[in-house]
Amino acid sequence: GNSVTQMEGPVTLSEEAFLTINCTYTATGYPSLFWYVQYPGEGLQLLLKATKADDKGSNKGFEATYRKETTSFHLEKGSVQVSDSAVYFCALRSSFGNEKLTFGTGTRLTIIP
Amino acid sequence: NAGVMQNPRHLVRRRGQEARLRCSPMKGHSHVYWYRQLPEEGLKFMVYLQKENIIDESGMPKERFSAEFPKEGPSILRIQQVVRGDSAAYFCASSPRGSGYEQYFGPGTRLTVT
Repeated sequence: GNSVTQMEGPVTLSEEAFLTINCTYTATGYPSLFWYVQYPGEGLQLLLKATKADDKGSNKGFEATYRKETTSFHLEKGSVQVSDSAVYFCALRSSFGNEKLTFGTGTRLTIIP
Repeated sequence: NAGVMQNPRHLVRRRGQEARLRCSPMKGHSHVYWYRQLPEEGLKFMVYLQKENIIDESGMPKERFSAEFPKEGPSILRIQQVVRGDSAAYFCASSPRGSGYEQYFGPGTRLTVT
């Protein structure tokens, strides 16, 4: 079945540091890939997505590229801010008309000033 | 346009009681999904519903759990005879249609079973 493996956390960085959160997946066919962000006490918000190989999703300075050859969708940001502190979830949706999302375990990110 | 609403935000039940969790989708959305987040874990799919129809319940435990999405009113996730292992955050998401549309998540209901 489908699965998502995400970088273990928690991750603590200083403001303006470079961020990478690794995500790899196992799925048949051509899934769509997503990064969601969860701020304290809130639900998940879609951060970015990519629907086919080599697509790059980007939003709010975050980027991730759909790499089919390495089955990866790593999240990156060049210069993090304190306001980026949150839990980040990598997820996939199957290509076979099954709409359920399969999530990784989440990575808690803390940015210190 | 109001987002996905869930209530209550926090629910405490004793073992053996029933828990009812409500989800009002965004306006114009007719598809609802329920996910469960156990402590220190990612979200796990439970059930996918359209109005008056269960599309996929492959993630629902076979006993004690049920879900509905009536023609009028919110979607309800019902847990009968709760046990401590049911303590989790339950998230609802909605989309305007099924295939290929983004799911918008609510703030979740945190269920604690004592």
